[in-house]
Amino acid sequence: GQNIDQPTEMTATEGAIVQINCTYQTSGFNGLFWYQQHAGEAPTFLSYNVLDGLEEKGRFSSFLSRSKGYSYLLLKELQMKDSASYLCAVWAGGYQKVTFGTGTKLQVIP
Amino acid sequence: GAVVSQHPSWVICKSGTSVKIECRSLDFQATTMFWYRQFPKQSLMLMATSNEGSKATYEQGVEKDKFLINHASLTLSTLTVTSAHPEDSSFYICSARDYRPTSGGNEQFFGPGTRLTVL
Repeated sequence: GQNIDQPTEMTATEGAIVQINCTYQTSGFNGLFWYQQHAGEAPTFLSYNVLDGLEEKGRFSSFLSRSKGYSYLLLKELQMKDSASYLCAVWAGGYQKVTFGTGTKLQVIP
Repeated sequence: GAVVSQHPSWVICKSGTSVKIECRSLDFQATTMFWYRQFPKQSLMLMATSNEGSKATYEQGVEKDKFLINHASLTLSTLTVTSAHPEDSSFYICSARDYRPTSGGNEQFFGPGTRLTVL
């Protein structure tokens, strides 16, 4: 099986930077996804990491360390609309399925 | 990016009835689609993997006779909740992976979800 851990909730100030961590334990690791999900809506894709290192995409960046089973999502210049749940998901094994963490609910305050 | 649609967006039904939810990939072919369920304030839980032209693969604890999955074509998968009960009320979401290089090859696209309420 797979074990994926994320903090349950985080609060950050508008304009600031926040880092959301994700640790995982799995065999046959293929890649790691980050998704954003607003309440009552389906998740939307943010990033996909396969190799170690930082992937930057606008205000969002995602980092992966395969040896440590660790990833983080970095959000810069926070905006109120960034208030949402952020889901870490791992694709592992030859099978195609992706397993989601419980998600981190981020609240951005003025 | 690729588009996945679901129908209906929401449905309210009486206990004991069956409800069918459709998931369509609109601009790409999906040999495999995934069905998730999400209860309030919880993460997505994979229910089953739907394979075109063959039987679905169900996750442990998911009753295959209760949640019928049919993947009749490369663009359509359906989930039927049979004899629905109030505890089946949830947010059901499908997804599909678009393997075309133009879509990055690995991104999983989600449908907008179907909110089921069983009275």
